[in-house]
Amino acid sequence: AQSVSQHNHHVILSEAASLELGCNYSYGGTVNLFWYVQYPGQHLQLLLKYFSGDPLVKGIKGFEAEFIKSKFSFNLRKPSVQWSDTAEYFCAVNAHLGGNKLVFGAGTILRVKS
Amino acid sequence: EAEVAQSPRYKITEKSQAVAFWCDPISGHATLYWYRQILGQGPELLVQFQDESVVDDSQLPKDRFSAERLKGVDSTLKIQPAELGDSAMYLCASNPGGADGELFFGEGSRLTVL
Repeated sequence: AQSVSQHNHHVILSEAASLELGCNYSYGGTVNLFWYVQYPGQHLQLLLKYFSGDPLVKGIKGFEAEFIKSKFSFNLRKPSVQWSDTAEYFCAVNAHLGGNKLVFGAGTILRVKS
Repeated sequence: EAEVAQSPRYKITEKSQAVAFWCDPISGHATLYWYRQILGQGPELLVQFQDESVVDDSQLPKDRFSAERLKGVDSTLKIQPAELGDSAMYLCASNPGGADGELFFGEGSRLTVL
């Protein structure tokens, strides 16, 4: 079955630490890839997206993600986290063969200690 | 900034009762989605509309759930009768209708079934 896997459910970091959240998907063929973020009490919002071209994409608030097609991965990174990055992060995939719908991973809760 | 509107934000009901959620997508967005997010999991697609037509309802429990988008604008998701396992956040999202899959989410309707 088609799926999206996020490696860590909970991550705790101190401010200024580096962040990497793993995401793997099981689709073949053309995919569009997304990271969404949900801050406490807020709605899901787009952090960054990959459609084509440069596999290293930059998003808002200093986040970036790298698409590695051979590994079916789309890991999220940030060199130095801030307390305000405390949120839940969701990786999502739109597999064109799947009918233009997003399939989400289970999410990673990030807590940044000040 | 245009937003997806949902109501109610919170709903508490007893099992076997009926409940309904309403969504008004961003103006001009042809595609509308209802997702269910159970605590600790990622959003799961329940139903997808393209204008007023259902595109995908394969994951909608049709014995108790129904969804409509009669005029191709706003949409209603109904549960009758509600069961304890239906307690979740119900998210509405919309998309202009392009194939890129980027979704814009509302704040969600949190359902608690007692």
